[in-house]
Amino acid sequence: GDSVTQMEGPVTLSEEAFLTINCTYTATGYPSLFWYVQYPGEGLQLLLKATKADDKGSNKGFEATYRKETTSFHLEKGSVQVSDSAVYFCALVTGTYKYIFGTGTRLKVLA
Amino acid sequence: DTAVSQTPKYLVTQMGNDKSIKCEQNLGHDTMYWYKQDSKKFLKIMFSYNNKELIINETVPNRFSPKSPDKAHLNLHINSLELGDSAVYFCASSDRGTNSPLHFGNGTRLTVT
Repeated sequence: GDSVTQMEGPVTLSEEAFLTINCTYTATGYPSLFWYVQYPGEGLQLLLKATKADDKGSNKGFEATYRKETTSFHLEKGSVQVSDSAVYFCALVTGTYKYIFGTGTRLKVLA
Repeated sequence: DTAVSQTPKYLVTQMGNDKSIKCEQNLGHDTMYWYKQDSKKFLKIMFSYNNKELIINETVPNRFSPKSPDKAHLNLHINSLELGDSAVYFCASSDRGTNSPLHFGNGTRLTVT
């Protein structure tokens, strides 16, 4: 079945450091890919998305590129802030309404 | 305006009780979902309704019963609560099409004692 694999956390960085959170997927068909962010005590919020190969999603300084050849959708940010501390989820959906989530990666940014 | 709202935010109850969680979305979406998030943040789909019709029903104990009175509402009723039911339950909705992202509510933290 379809699946999403994320790097284990937690990831701890200093402010202004470069962030990469790895995400790879397996899917039949052509999924759409998403990154969601969850702040403490809140629901998941869409961070960015990409719907086809080579698409780049971007939002709030975060970017991810849909790489079909490596089945990856890694999340990057050039300079993280303390306010970016949260749990990040990679997800995919195919035509079945079945959204599959990775296990989440906790990011902690230190001032 | 809250797009996906669920109530209550916190629910503390004893084993064996029956409880309900309500969810409403004002986004005009056709599809609604219930997800369970465990203490390790793992998210698992439980149910999905499209225009009041059940389309996803994962392996969930039949003590859990979803009800969708209309496409803007999806409630979750849980009978005979068990300790293992303690988790955060998220309601979500999505528009038509596979490109559509999920929109989540803020969750209901259920604690069974």
